[in-house]
Amino acid sequence: DAEITQSPRHKITETGRQVTLACHQTWNHNNMFWYRQDLGHGLRLIHYSYGVQDTNKGEVSDGYSVSRSNTEDLPLTLESAASSQTSVYFCASSGQGANEKLFFGSGTQLSVL
Amino acid sequence: QKEVEQDPGPLSVPEGAIVSLNCTYSNSAFQYFMWYRQYSRKGPELLMYTYSSGNKEDGRFTAQVDKSSKYISLFIRDSQPSDSATYLCAISSGSARQLTFGSGTQLTVLP
Repeated sequence: DAEITQSPRHKITETGRQVTLACHQTWNHNNMFWYRQDLGHGLRLIHYSYGVQDTNKGEVSDGYSVSRSNTEDLPLTLESAASSQTSVYFCASSGQGANEKLFFGSGTQLSVL
Repeated sequence: QKEVEQDPGPLSVPEGAIVSLNCTYSNSAFQYFMWYRQYSRKGPELLMYTYSSGNKEDGRFTAQVDKSSKYISLFIRDSQPSDSATYLCAISSGSARQLTFGSGTQLTVLP
């Protein structure tokens, strides 16, 4: 079955370190998204991609970057981790259909100490 | 003011109760209305999807949209303990990049 997987499930890092969160989908979806989820804020869009070599900034992109070298993967990099980036990160993908159904991964819990 | 407002709860009901979950929104350009269900330590999954005003029913779940009031609701009939989860409304003007989520309502159905 097609799926979307995130790794690691949990990550603890120190302030100032570079961190990369992986996202891999086997749906063959062109659209991929990264969200962060914080109490009281719901899901907020960090970056998104509509295809290989395409990346775009979302609502809360400062301090994050993504790259899309193939259809299946969209890694999220925190250039210099900050305590404010402690959160649960979700990757999602969708096809080209009008209903824009998002398929989410199980999330990565990131703690920046 | 947030574009989408959702009462975070928590909401606790006995098994068999009718549950009403609600969101309000401010942007009249929104056209697509969704409800996602999120179990603990899992990613959200699409539960209901509607376009335009009116009701949509799927089993025990009914999604209702009132565009004139900018108000959407999700009703759960005969609620079950397995319905215990966080429910997020999500609204879009037409593309996934413009999908705006509510903050989620945590629901517990007690056996």
